[in-house]
Amino acid sequence: GNSVTQMEGPVTLSEEAFLTINCTYTATGYPSLFWYVQYPGEGLQLLLKATKADDKGSNKGFEATYRKETTSFHLEKGSVQVSDSAVYFCALINQAGTALIFGKGTTLSVSS
Amino acid sequence: SQTIHQWPATLVQPVGSPLSLECTVEGTSNPNLYWYRQAAGRGLQLLFYSVGIGQISSEVPQNLSASRPQDWQFILSSKKLLLSDSGFYLCAWSPTTDFYGYTFGSGTRLTVV
Repeated sequence: GNSVTQMEGPVTLSEEAFLTINCTYTATGYPSLFWYVQYPGEGLQLLLKATKADDKGSNKGFEATYRKETTSFHLEKGSVQVSDSAVYFCALINQAGTALIFGKGTTLSVSS
Repeated sequence: SQTIHQWPATLVQPVGSPLSLECTVEGTSNPNLYWYRQAAGRGLQLLFYSVGIGQISSEVPQNLSASRPQDWQFILSSKKLLLSDSGFYLCAWSPTTDFYGYTFGSGTRLTVV
């Protein structure tokens, strides 16, 4: 079935550093891909999504491109802020198309 | 606009006690509803999903059950909690016509002692 693997954390960066969180997937066909963010003590929020190959999702300075050649959907941001400290989850739709499958999450900690 | 409510926010329960967590959705009809559990080091695990009243699909065998008595209501239950049931429980909904991802509730932190 479909699955997603994301890099282990934690990722620790200084403010204004460049961020990359790797995510690769295994899937039948080309399902929609998602990045969710979870701030401390809260539920998950949709950060961005891409619904087909070569699409780029973007939001709040974050970007991710749906790459079918490398089966990847890496999350990037050019200049992180302390307020970006959170757990980031990569996700895709399961093979049945009924629910999302999430990666294990990557914790990002940004210091000033 | 659509809103999702989940309660309680935190819960401490003794081993062997029952559990009932409730999730409600407003402002939409016939949503798909989901229960996930987030345990330390294990990411987000899908527990149940529902595409309509009385329709529940279970993803993993466990000590929990789910019910959907109303279109807008999704309940997670257990008759006897285990220590391993501790975790952060998240409810989510998505439209049935198009799958654009989820909207999550704020979660319930359950600690079984």
